[in-house]
Amino acid sequence: AQKITQTQPGMFVQEKEAVTLDCTYDTSDPSYGLFWYKQPSSGEMIFLIYQGSYDQQNATEGRYSLNFQKARKSANLVISASQLGDSAMYFCAMREYNNAGNMLTFGGGTRLMVKP
Amino acid sequence: SQTIHQWPATLVQPVGSPLSLECTVEGTSNPNLYWYRQAAGRGLQLLFYSVGIGQISSEVPQNLSASRPQDRQFILSSKKLLLSDSGFYLCASLGAAGALETQYFGPGTRLLVL
Repeated sequence: AQKITQTQPGMFVQEKEAVTLDCTYDTSDPSYGLFWYKQPSSGEMIFLIYQGSYDQQNATEGRYSLNFQKARKSANLVISASQLGDSAMYFCAMREYNNAGNMLTFGGGTRLMVKP
Repeated sequence: SQTIHQWPATLVQPVGSPLSLECTVEGTSNPNLYWYRQAAGRGLQLLFYSVGIGQISSEVPQNLSASRPQDRQFILSSKKLLLSDSGFYLCASLGAAGALETQYFGPGTRLLVL
C-alpha cells in the first residue's frame, strides 16, 4: 500500500490566488513527521514546511501553510497568493520515527503551474 | 546550516561503463546520508542510506552500490551501467530544521546512459 499519496498529478492556479495541494498518508506509527518539498526545473529539492504528528497547531512558513487533519491522515499544502516562481513539482513526504535510518517516504508529486 | 555538494552535475556514460558519483556534506558531523534516484517526471526512490562510516543499507536490489569512506562523504558506484540507470541522482543529509530534523538535498547529478 502507498504510504504517501498525492492524487493531483498536475494543477493550474491563477497568479495571486491560493492553491491547495493534497497529500494523504498511511502509518501505524504514532510518532511521525510530514514534510513538503518544492522541486523547480533546476532539480534541487527545497524543503518548505514540516508538521509533527503531535503538533497541536498547523505549521505555517510565510506563504506556505499545512492543513493537518490527523484523523483523516491528510497533510495538504496551502500556498497563498501564488507567484509565477511557485511553478514547480511539489512532493509530500513522511518520516516515521520508528525506523533505524530516519528515512523519508515520498509521494509521486504534483506539478503546479501558475498562470499569469 | 549544512551544505551538500554533488559532482559531477551532469554525466553521459555508455552502457557497461563504471560509475562513481560523489556527495560531500559541510556544516554537520555524523549525519545520516541518503542516495535517491528520480526518473523523469517521477517521485524519489530511496537507493541507499548510511548512519555512519562504513554502514550502508540498501533499499532496492540493483547493480548499484554505495560506500561511506569518511564521515561526510557518500559515494554511489556501479561496475557496469545499464540503460535503466539513467536518471537524476540526489544525495541528502538529515539535518536540523529549527528544533526539528528534515532531509536536505544536494543539487543532484543528471546521469544519461546511452
